[in-house]
Amino acid sequence: EPEVTQTPSHQVTQMGQEVILRCVPISNHLYFYWYRQILGQKVEFLVSFYNNEISEKSEIFDDQFSVERPDGSNFTLKIRSTKLEDSAMYFCASRAGTSTDTQYFGPGTRLTVL
Amino acid sequence: AQSVSQHNHHVILSEAASLELGCNYSYGGTVNLFWYVQYPGQHLQLLLKYFSGDPLVKGIKGFEAEFIKSKFSFNLRKPSVQWSDTAEYFCAVTLNSGYSTLTFGKGTMLLVSP
Repeated sequence: EPEVTQTPSHQVTQMGQEVILRCVPISNHLYFYWYRQILGQKVEFLVSFYNNEISEKSEIFDDQFSVERPDGSNFTLKIRSTKLEDSAMYFCASRAGTSTDTQYFGPGTRLTVL
Repeated sequence: AQSVSQHNHHVILSEAASLELGCNYSYGGTVNLFWYVQYPGQHLQLLLKYFSGDPLVKGIKGFEAEFIKSKFSFNLRKPSVQWSDTAEYFCAVTLNSGYSTLTFGKGTMLLVSP
């Protein structure tokens, strides 16, 4: 069965450094998402992406964040200058096309900012 | 904005006990409802979903959920749990419009003792 994959599984970085989290969505899917879960808190929506542009974003997704689909298969989340509070589990998800389609999640990247 | 609340953060049951996990949402319009499960060390997987039709929805692994519109609830049930059901369970909603962004509850950690 096709799966969403994410790399790396764990990323440790120093405060102020840039990080790029990578996702490979399921190949025929059209909608892509990033969510995050700070330890002990809810899974929160960050951004959705469709037709090569951001379709929705939350207030968490400020100017420090950006997303890209550089080559038709990867979907990346970049944090320009990490803060301690960016430490969280970041999940990528993808969905095929209609509004009733399921979102399929990747295994997540645990980001630790020191 | 819509929100989701899950009543129990931790539930401990013995094998063969019946399970009911509460989920309520707040939103006046039409929503789509989901239960996701995260087994230890694995990614979020869809258990079941409700979009329309029969409010009693059957999912994988013997789980079911009932949508009660008047109570804004979508409780998850299983008549007899197994040790392998030990996992974290997340209720989520999307609006029936937009880009199907998921709004999650905080999750319920279920521990089933053999």
